Parts: sequence; C-alpha cells; structure tokens
Amino acid sequence: AQSVTQPDIHITVSEGASLELRCNYSYGATPYLFWYVQSPGQGLQLLLKYFSGDTLVQGIKGFEAEFKRSQSSFNLRKPSVHWSDAAEYFCAVGSNDMRFGAGTRLTVKP
Amino acid sequence: GAVVSQHPSWVICKSGTSVKIECRSLDFQATTMFWYRQFPKQSLMLMATSNEGSKATYEQGVEKDKFLINHASLTLSTLTVTSAHPEDSSFYICSARWLASGSYEQYFGPGTRLTVT
Repeated sequence: AQSVTQPDIHITVSEGASLELRCNYSYGATPYLFWYVQSPGQGLQLLLKYFSGDTLVQGIKGFEAEFKRSQSSFNLRKPSVHWSDAAEYFCAVGSNDMRFGAGTRLTVKP
Repeated sequence: GAVVSQHPSWVICKSGTSVKIECRSLDFQATTMFWYRQFPKQSLMLMATSNEGSKATYEQGVEKDKFLINHASLTLSTLTVTSAHPEDSSFYICSARWLASGSYEQYFGPGTRLTVT
C-alpha cells in the first residue's frame, strides 16, 4: 500500500535561512509525487510535482524538490525562506488515489 | 486555469439536519472528483472517489449512507452529510482531475468548514 511519511511535525527557521522539509514514501511502482502548501483555513496549492524525468524539480515560489529513488525520498527545499512561507506543507504520493503525509508546519522567525 | 470552487465556504447546521456541499470545476471537465476531510491540525484523509456518471467509491470506514456523493456532470460533484452530528464537524475539501490532460494532478477547492451544533 502506498504511504507517505513526513518525519518533522513542526520546523522553525529564521527568515533568509535555507529550508529542507523531508518526505519519504512507500509505493509499489514509479511514484507520482507532489508537494502542496496550505495556509490556515485555506485549500491546497500545488508547489511542484514529479512524474518522471529529471529528478530535480523546480516549483513555484522558489521551491525545489529532489526525487531519490534509492532513499524513497522527495525532500522539499528552498534556499532562502520568506516570512510569507509560514504555512503547512504536505507531501503526497499517488496516481488514481492520493495519499498525504501528516504535514509539516513551518514557522518563520523574523 | 484549472480552478475548482466549493460552496459554501463555511456552514453551521444543527445536529440531525443534512447539509450539501458543492464542488465545481470552473474551466475544465473533471472526469474524477475526490472528497477529503481534514480535522484540525491533521492531514487530509480521502473519503471517496467519484467518476462522472458512476457511483462513488468510498474509503474503508467511511459511511456511504451518511456521506452521499453525487457526480452528475463533468463539472459538478456534491457531498451531502446526512443527519449530521457534532463529530462530523470538519474541513471538507474536494479536488478534481482531468485525465485527458495526461496528468494525475488533482486541483483542489478552497474547502468547506462544517460546524454541527
């Protein structure tokens, strides 16, 4: 069965610092992988996705993620965090049905 | 493009009543729509998957008689919470997918917050 693990429930970084959010997945075939961001009381916005090809994926808002099959990981990165990046981040895997990780809440310190 | 709307954005209802939530794909035809619920500070849990013109497929543990899903057209799916109880209070989010695009990407609505008093 497919599943997603986000090991970090809450991360705090200083504005301008780099960020990496971890995501590990379990999937029987080539996974379709996604990162979404959710602001309080809002729906989900797609940051980036990986279906195939180049394992380093560029997304919106300066985010990128790298697919590493050997580690079953799809970590999200940003070189310099802005205060507006504070939100909940979800990693998801799936094709016909999508499974979400538990989410990582990002707090940005001024 | 690929905008999904939900109506209402929030609703309060009394215990025992039913409430209907609409999910619309505004600029594309959604061959498949999904319904999720999200409890505070938790992740999204898939409730059911519906294909246009077919009966919805419910996830294990989701009561199909309580959460009625209708996907009568390629742009509209509805979720009706019947005989609502306070424990049904949650954030309900729909998403839509257009398989003709060749992508498995789902486009999410803004969510509907249901409070049952």
